[in-house]
Amino acid sequence: SAVISQKPSRDICQRGTSLTIQCQVDSQVTMMFWYRQQPGQSLTLIATANQGSEATYESGFVIDKFPISRPNLTFSTLTVSNMSPEDSSIYLCSVEGGSGPAGEQYFGPGTRLTVT
Amino acid sequence: GENVEQHPSTLSVQEGDSAVIKCTYSDSASNYFPWYKQELGKRPQLIIDIRSNVGEKKDQRIAVTLNKTAKHFSLHITETQPEDSAVYFCAASRPGGSQGNLIFGKGTKLSVKP
Repeated sequence: SAVISQKPSRDICQRGTSLTIQCQVDSQVTMMFWYRQQPGQSLTLIATANQGSEATYESGFVIDKFPISRPNLTFSTLTVSNMSPEDSSIYLCSVEGGSGPAGEQYFGPGTRLTVT
Repeated sequence: GENVEQHPSTLSVQEGDSAVIKCTYSDSASNYFPWYKQELGKRPQLIIDIRSNVGEKKDQRIAVTLNKTAKHFSLHITETQPEDSAVYFCAASRPGGSQGNLIFGKGTKLSVKP
């Protein structure tokens, strides 16, 4: 499976500020996704990061709040904008594609965000 | 939209016993069903998956079964060990998207007592 890294691994931010999370993969992958996992909860898909086009957002998530970039097949960023304490969560990127069968999805280590 | 229900939310078993976690999905067009294991503070890890053209799949102590008619699938862990303790998530592919566009169940916290 692909090796996936995320930066930063954790951060504590003040309300009203923005944080950009980076996701790097060691091989070219077709699909990259961004998830949110609130403490003790399941994983919720924020958006699909499409290479060369706008990200596709799920219901309840908007581009102004979570702008996403996907400049190439190995890298993506998620920005959490104008943060509030409700944005405190773990943010995970995941990838599908590369050498694995269609559908197999692997997660990065996550970014633990605390907003004060 | 697609919905995935997972039961039970917590499960406690003695070491050596079997554990079964069940999930149901709502959209018959879903065709890919992975299971993830998440240990505390770590990323979810894919442990087994099944596609809609298969009824059962095994990998050592773990197996997954799929009943397309009833729209449910289950994870079976035999001869459980303390290191199996974790939160397990089922997921189903969202129809119309890539198979990687997944909807997750709420998770099952499995505790294996030595």
